[in-house]
Amino acid sequence: DGGITQSPKYLFRKEGQNVTLSCEQNLNHDAMYWYRQDPGQGLRLIYYSQIVNDFQKGDIAEGYSVSREKKESFPLTVTSAQKNPTAFYLCASSWDRGPNQPQHFGDGTRLSIL
Amino acid sequence: SQQGEEDPQALSIQEGENATMNCSYKTSINNLQWYRQNSGRGLVHLILIRSNEREKHSGRLRVTLDTSKKSSSLLITASRAADTASYFCATGAYSGAGSYQLTFGKGTKLSVIP
Repeated sequence: DGGITQSPKYLFRKEGQNVTLSCEQNLNHDAMYWYRQDPGQGLRLIYYSQIVNDFQKGDIAEGYSVSREKKESFPLTVTSAQKNPTAFYLCASSWDRGPNQPQHFGDGTRLSIL
Repeated sequence: SQQGEEDPQALSIQEGENATMNCSYKTSINNLQWYRQNSGRGLVHLILIRSNEREKHSGRLRVTLDTSKKSSSLLITASRAADTASYFCATGAYSGAGSYQLTFGKGTKLSVIP
């Protein structure tokens, strides 16, 4: 079955630590996205990538970094510079970044501070 | 920047009743999409309506779009307990810089009581 796999499902971060969230898709999509969701809130865009080796900052990129070395993979690193990392992180993909494209989502990673 | 805003924030109905959720937005859009999120899971795309369309149907879902009022509604007919979820509208639009972006609202939490 085609889809998006996020891992781990739950992650805990210690003070001053960087953590990396994994996102893999086998939908052959060009575009991939990372969103942050806080309780009772909508999704806010952290980073997006339209193609391999290219990525752009979204609305709340500070304290986060990404890479896109393979079409299938778009890992997100939450750095120690992100002072309030506790949230639900969602990865998504679409055929491309053009209009009228639905996005397909993984089941998220819940990050908490120890 | 938050574009779509759903109303009501929460809705509780009996199984078999219809559920209507509304979404209002502020600026011109290219399309509007509705997504469902079950608790602790990722979002699932339900329906996309383009700015030149007024109504779309998919199974028990009916979406309307009124660009003159900058609003959309999602109607779920003959609701079931399995429809219990949060529903998000997302507006697709081009920014001033010419980049296309999908912006999510905060969602309506629907509870369907058996």
